[in-house]
Amino acid sequence: KAGVTQTPRYLIKTRGQQVTLSCSPISGHRSVSWYQQTPGQGLQFLFEYFSETQRNKGNFPGRFSGRQFSNSRSEMNVSTLELGDSALYLCASSSGQGVHEQFFGPGTRLTVL
Amino acid sequence: AQSVTQPDIHITVSEGASLELRCNYSYGATPYLFWYVQSPGQGLQLLLKYFSGDTLVQGIKGFEAEFKRSQSSFNLRKPSVHWSDAAEYFCAVGAGSGYSTLTFGKGTMLLVSP
Repeated sequence: KAGVTQTPRYLIKTRGQQVTLSCSPISGHRSVSWYQQTPGQGLQFLFEYFSETQRNKGNFPGRFSGRQFSNSRSEMNVSTLELGDSALYLCASSSGQGVHEQFFGPGTRLTVL
Repeated sequence: AQSVTQPDIHITVSEGASLELRCNYSYGATPYLFWYVQSPGQGLQLLLKYFSGDTLVQGIKGFEAEFKRSQSSFNLRKPSVHWSDAAEYFCAVGAGSGYSTLTFGKGTMLLVSP
């Protein structure tokens, strides 16, 4: 089985711009979660989508949004970028049912200048 | 709210020596616990998980962890460390609807000396 894929792997943006990151889960997985990883704050949960619905949400401002498509692929959008949004954004997929483990993609490294 | 503490930011171990990485959690219900490893520039790889049952769980790459409810701990161990084990290790607790929200510790960076 192919693993979780994330595109693009690297991204450079300037303050005020917006960005869209993409995640393709493992085939058959219906849950996609997004995490932000920074040196200062560590790994923080952004949100989770299951069957095209946001099921869980972390404590991030409304500039961070996401969606999931019928094929379970997910996108994450950040509007009005700030310097502090520079981070590694990780996507994880899982079956989404019962207690389950999450499988992570390689991440998208976002740099905001 | 749940939380995870990894008290050691860095640990240096000699190759061939044993390893124990500490993890303490705070969670009001039955915890679902995980250990992940991250190599530089990479995503997270699951080493092992505890959902229920036997409190000593075996994982990949020769790692094991023991769940101790009385101490709210889930320490990771390996009897003999290899240079390739050098990486950052994260302990996490699963919560939320579907236990899909992972709360991570700050991580422990493992350095392996020759």
